[in-house]
Amino acid sequence: EAQVTQNPRYLITVTGKKLTVTCSQNMNHEYMSWYRQDPGLGLRQIYYSMNVEVTDKGDVPEGYKVSRKEKRNFPLILESPSPNQTSLYFCASTLLGGSTDTQYFGPGTRLTVL
Amino acid sequence: GENVEQHPSTLSVQEGDSAVIKCTYSDSASNYFPWYKQELGKRPQLIIDIRSNVGEKKDQRIAVTLNKTAKHFSLHITETQPEDSAVYFCAASRNRDDKIIFGKGTRLHILP
Repeated sequence: EAQVTQNPRYLITVTGKKLTVTCSQNMNHEYMSWYRQDPGLGLRQIYYSMNVEVTDKGDVPEGYKVSRKEKRNFPLILESPSPNQTSLYFCASTLLGGSTDTQYFGPGTRLTVL
Repeated sequence: GENVEQHPSTLSVQEGDSAVIKCTYSDSASNYFPWYKQELGKRPQLIIDIRSNVGEKKDQRIAVTLNKTAKHFSLHITETQPEDSAVYFCAASRNRDDKIIFGKGTRLHILP
């Protein structure tokens, strides 16, 4: 089944404790992206990647890191999480050059930083 | 920086009536305008999109119109049904492999 998976789905952590949220897609998509969703603010793009080893900042990259060592994986790293990073996070992927620009979203990761 | 404004933030329409959600964007180089629907507790899903070389696109009860001069695009849902109740997001980007800016969303309620 074609899908985007994220792990963990829920995470409660404390300020300053490094964490990684994994994202994986099995559709051979070139483009992958991370978003955070906060009430009243909609979806805001954190980082995106056009292909392996190619990443770029979105609208709200501060406090986050990403890497794209393999086409299928795009982990989101919070080196020193803070309470203002409490949010719902979505990973997404898109096939570039296909007949459609559909962006497929993962199920989301709800992160709470105490 | 780039910005996408979306209105209204909340919209209630009677079942069977039409709903219109409007977005304006600031980056004149924007070229791709998708619309996403997010049901409660679910992930966003693309419902329709339009490119700047097209003024209108329709898919059954859903249509999107684009006015590049005014930097304005709209989502039109006709003959609304209860399952149309959701949050709708517009977005804009220069290319499919570029940064994407989303609007803040519109919560659509379909009243029985």
